[in-house]
Amino acid sequence: EIVMTQSPATLSLSPGERATLSCRASQSVSKNLAWYQRKPGQAPRLLVFGASTRATGVPARFSGSGSGTDFTLTISSLQSEDFAVYFCQQYDNWPPITFGPGTKVDIK
Amino acid sequence: QVQLQESGPGLVKPSETLSLTCTVSNFSISSGYYWAWMRQPPGKGLEWIGSTYHSGNIDYNPSLESRVTISVDTSKNQFSLRLRSVTAADTAVYYCARRWEIVVVHDYWGQGTLVTVSS
Repeated sequence: EIVMTQSPATLSLSPGERATLSCRASQSVSKNLAWYQRKPGQAPRLLVFGASTRATGVPARFSGSGSGTDFTLTISSLQSEDFAVYFCQQYDNWPPITFGPGTKVDIK
Repeated sequence: QVQLQESGPGLVKPSETLSLTCTVSNFSISSGYYWAWMRQPPGKGLEWIGSTYHSGNIDYNPSLESRVTISVDTSKNQFSLRLRSVTAADTAVYYCARRWEIVVVHDYWGQGTLVTVSS
């Protein structure tokens, strides 16, 4: 089973700042990596798949990068609606599909 | 917009069977895609439980496979989860989601439902 880790666990930033979130896989997942956003009481939202392809309707301030074992989700300028939990998911070697534990982006 | 809604008991006794249903709106399950269940125990990360195609091609997480059944009812546009012999470790927020066929990602999710296993 591929184990996904994320860092930091919490990221405290102000609106307008740049957020850089990290996701690491215990073995290479090529570019088979997705990012999701989850807000309290809401359904999770797919942001990025294929490590760097934005899902439909996702603003351009969200960008994904990386391949192999190290991946990054960058939010170029945080908006108020971006304060949420972000988690990654690998789909290279499954079952099982595995997820990272998440990074909480909160307001500083 | 595709909508998914989980439903079922919020409290299940140890050793009993957890049963949840996901009702899909604004999209016919028979039209394609896979349909998945995930869960998140308190303080832990998401765990994939399994996914099914409308025609019955099912994948399960090996760690849960011996206790899990996922099924589809196309007439009701619903899919279901049954988890047998539950313990406190099965306490979690359970999510249903739509999964793409080739690129294995989940584009629409339910809001999740908390199921507590306790006597």
